[in-house]
Amino acid sequence: DIVMTQSPVTLSVSPGERGTLSCRASQSVRTNLVWYQQKPGQAPRLLIYGASTRATGVPARFSGSGSGTEFTLTISSLQSEDFAVYYCQQCEDWPLTFGGGTKVEIK
Amino acid sequence: EVQVLQSGGGLVQPGGSLRLSCEASGFSFNTYAMTWVRQAPGKGLEWVSIISGDGVTTYYAESVKGRFAITRDNSKNTVFLYMNSLRGEDTAVYYCAKKRETESGSSHFDHWGQGTLVTVSS
Repeated sequence: DIVMTQSPVTLSVSPGERGTLSCRASQSVRTNLVWYQQKPGQAPRLLIYGASTRATGVPARFSGSGSGTEFTLTISSLQSEDFAVYYCQQCEDWPLTFGGGTKVEIK
Repeated sequence: EVQVLQSGGGLVQPGGSLRLSCEASGFSFNTYAMTWVRQAPGKGLEWVSIISGDGVTTYYAESVKGRFAITRDNSKNTVFLYMNSLRGEDTAVYYCAKKRETESGSSHFDHWGQGTLVTVSS
């Protein structure tokens, strides 16, 4: 199975600051990498697919980059509604696997 | 507007069975794969199973293989997850989601149901 490792586990950021989240795959997933956002009590929300394509309605402050085994989700200027847990997921091979998540909290 | 509405779930004893349902609307249901993802209390996301649009192809996580079965009824725009021989570690919120695949072959889950809690306990 492809193991997805996210870091850091918790990211403390002040509103308006930049947040950088990392996701590493145990083997190449090319650009078959997806980012989701999840708030407490809610279903996950699609943010980024194909490693760098924003989903419909996702603000431009969210950007994804990377390929192969190293990926980054950047939130350029954190807003109050961005404090949540973020998961990466590979869709290169079965079984599909998620990272353990990064919780972005208010500093 | 795409909608994904889940039903089923609840409390079941270890070794018991349960069926989850997921009815979707707002898109051509039989042309999209549908998947189940679960989340144990306080934990991360775990992919469970997926079924192709025509219902022919299915995949399962190793943790549920042989115990869970995914099916779909395209006449009713509904996908099902039959869960048998349930264990305590199957306790989770189960989400149903629609899979989208781009022209370049990149896939993702773009619309999710509200989630349904399954509790396995005596």
